[in-house]
Amino acid sequence: NAGVTQTPKFRVLKTGQSMTLLCAQDMNHEYMYWYRQDPGMGLRLIHYSVGEGTTAKGEVPDGYNVSRLKKQNFLLGLESAAPSQTSVYFCASSYPSRGDDTGELFFGEGSRLTVL
Amino acid sequence: DAKTTQPPSMDCAEGRAANLPCNHSTISGNEYVYWYRQIHSQGPQYIIHGLKNNETNEMASLIITEDRKSSTLILPHATLRDTAVYYCIVRVYSGGYQKVTFGIGTKLQVIP
Repeated sequence: NAGVTQTPKFRVLKTGQSMTLLCAQDMNHEYMYWYRQDPGMGLRLIHYSVGEGTTAKGEVPDGYNVSRLKKQNFLLGLESAAPSQTSVYFCASSYPSRGDDTGELFFGEGSRLTVL
Repeated sequence: DAKTTQPPSMDCAEGRAANLPCNHSTISGNEYVYWYRQIHSQGPQYIIHGLKNNETNEMASLIITEDRKSSTLILPHATLRDTAVYYCIVRVYSGGYQKVTFGIGTKLQVIP
């Protein structure tokens, strides 16, 4: 049981380049999330999805796009990378909580992106 | 979802209990208190959660005040591996996490 897997773990981009971060979960979770973490700012929600085929904006969505074509995958895209997008990106997933589970959020190990 | 306030940093001697406070004075009646921790640069990890009763699991204990406006996470015998950033959040149990704010948390340093 791998949990939440993010690829790639590290990437260096030049300004203006595009890339896609892939998040895969094998827990059959309905909800998936993309966060970014910058020094001194905690975790900020970029986009999220409450089910296959649905996505919504979070707190800091500008400059990012997402897709959830399959339940187990949630993709985060940067169409034209900017230095301000240098960050550590975390994917997470959860069930819609029921009475028999903790309702916890499961995180991936993070993807460190540097934009030069 | 209600916001939380935590001290930015704390120290604890190895082997002693670490008591991490959290203020959530605007918590609603249907909101749970959750604690997560983030070791070094790994993804945050769930520790424990509770509504109004004190809770204990193999990792920690959670003490919630009677008025539910604050709580304390207790690591009974802190080890060096407990050095991490600890996040206190509140959320409606049946919802997702899209309305939850993860602040900067408390950086706990366990000292040998």
